Amino acid sequence: DAMVIQNPRYQVTQFGKPVTLSCSQTLNHNVMYWYQQKSSQAPKLLFHYYDKDFNNEADTPDNFQSRRPNTSFCFLDIRSPGLGDAAMYLCATSRDRDRGTYEQYFGPGTRLTVT
Amino acid sequence: GDSVVQTEGQVLPSEGDSLIVNCSYETTQYPSLFWYVQYPGEGPQLHLKAMKANDKGRNKGFEAMYRKETTSFHLEKDSVQESDSAVYFCAPYSGGYQKVTFGIGTKLQVIP
Repeated sequence: DAMVIQNPRYQVTQFGKPVTLSCSQTLNHNVMYWYQQKSSQAPKLLFHYYDKDFNNEADTPDNFQSRRPNTSFCFLDIRSPGLGDAAMYLCATSRDRDRGTYEQYFGPGTRLTVT
Repeated sequence: GDSVVQTEGQVLPSEGDSLIVNCSYETTQYPSLFWYVQYPGEGPQLHLKAMKANDKGRNKGFEAMYRKETTSFHLEKDSVQESDSAVYFCAPYSGGYQKVTFGIGTKLQVIP
């Protein structure tokens, strides 16, 4: 089945130690998103890629970076994780808005713990 | 920018009760409307959608009518089941930025 895959599902990192979360998709969608979701809150968009064009949200801290080396893969880098960065990180994809409906397809998420 | 207001907090119906979860939106452009559902330990998934005014989205006994005149997209079900327990997010998409706006989420906990 076509899907969005996130690895790892659970990640523990130390305060200040860089960490990378990965996402891959077999849907061949050209838009990919990274969200941060804290407990009992809505997903908060960090940034998204429209093909190779990177779109950062205005309130996303500089500590968060992203890479998209090809259509299928996207990475979230947290350069110096703080305790406040502990959250679920969700990757999502969608099709080009000019090709029809715009629903997003989410991966299962990576739960990040910062010790 | 776009905004959405939905029923806050937790809703605790008993199995067999009817349900309405309110959603009102404000968008800069003509939106498509979505409800996403999130089960514990999973990412959100599309629950139902309506693409234009007077469309009705349907899924697993849930319905939501796209009401342009009142800018609302309330989620309704005649008889909830325990398996419906999850968090529901109302999410309008108004184009231009290729992103949706998520409501705060409503936790539905059906009492068996």
